[in-house]
Amino acid sequence: GEDVEQSLFLSVREGDSSVINCTYTDSSSTYLYWYKQEPGAGLQLLTYIFSNMDMKQDQRLTVLLNKKDKHLSLRIADTQTGDSAIYFCAEGSNNDMRFGAGTRLTVKP
Amino acid sequence: DVKVTQSSRYLVKRTGEKVFLECVQDMDHENMFWYRQDPGLGLRLIYFSYDVKMKEKGDIPEGYSVSREKKERFSLILESASTNQTSMYLCASRQVQGSYEQYFGPGTRLTVT
Repeated sequence: GEDVEQSLFLSVREGDSSVINCTYTDSSSTYLYWYKQEPGAGLQLLTYIFSNMDMKQDQRLTVLLNKKDKHLSLRIADTQTGDSAIYFCAEGSNNDMRFGAGTRLTVKP
Repeated sequence: DVKVTQSSRYLVKRTGEKVFLECVQDMDHENMFWYRQDPGLGLRLIYFSYDVKMKEKGDIPEGYSVSREKKERFSLILESASTNQTSMYLCASRQVQGSYEQYFGPGTRLTVT
């Protein structure tokens, strides 16, 4: 089947920028998504990008999409301790959605 | 705001018991999904439903069944619980138009002893 891959762990210091990377394989995906999961909770949609866009910015979040390389990234500026969570990359269309294994972001004070 | 609720946050069952996990969404979404989440494996799709009384197997349907008698409710059934079904179960729903994003419930952490 199609795979979505992301590294499992990332640790940054408070105030630094975090960059979480993701690669996917399904070139027919219409949208790419980033979800956040806080401890003991479900997944919360952070942002998404349409597949014909290169970049989307939303306050501290910047999503970059390189469709040629099938690479998606999420940059969090001025990372705070409240950003500590698991971040899931996902690709989807009207038929399907596939999730990565999640990247656990730890923010150290 | 879309709200997806799940009947229990934590559940402890014994091996061989029949287990029902309930999910309700309040946004009239056509599609509903059941995933299980395990460390290092991410989310794996168990079953999904396109509409009332319709269901499709996902990637790991073995040992599970589902029921969707009403549009807002999607139930996951473990016919005979086993210890390898100890996991976090997440329900999601989405509409069939727009950006197809899924909205998730808070999850049910099931322990089978």
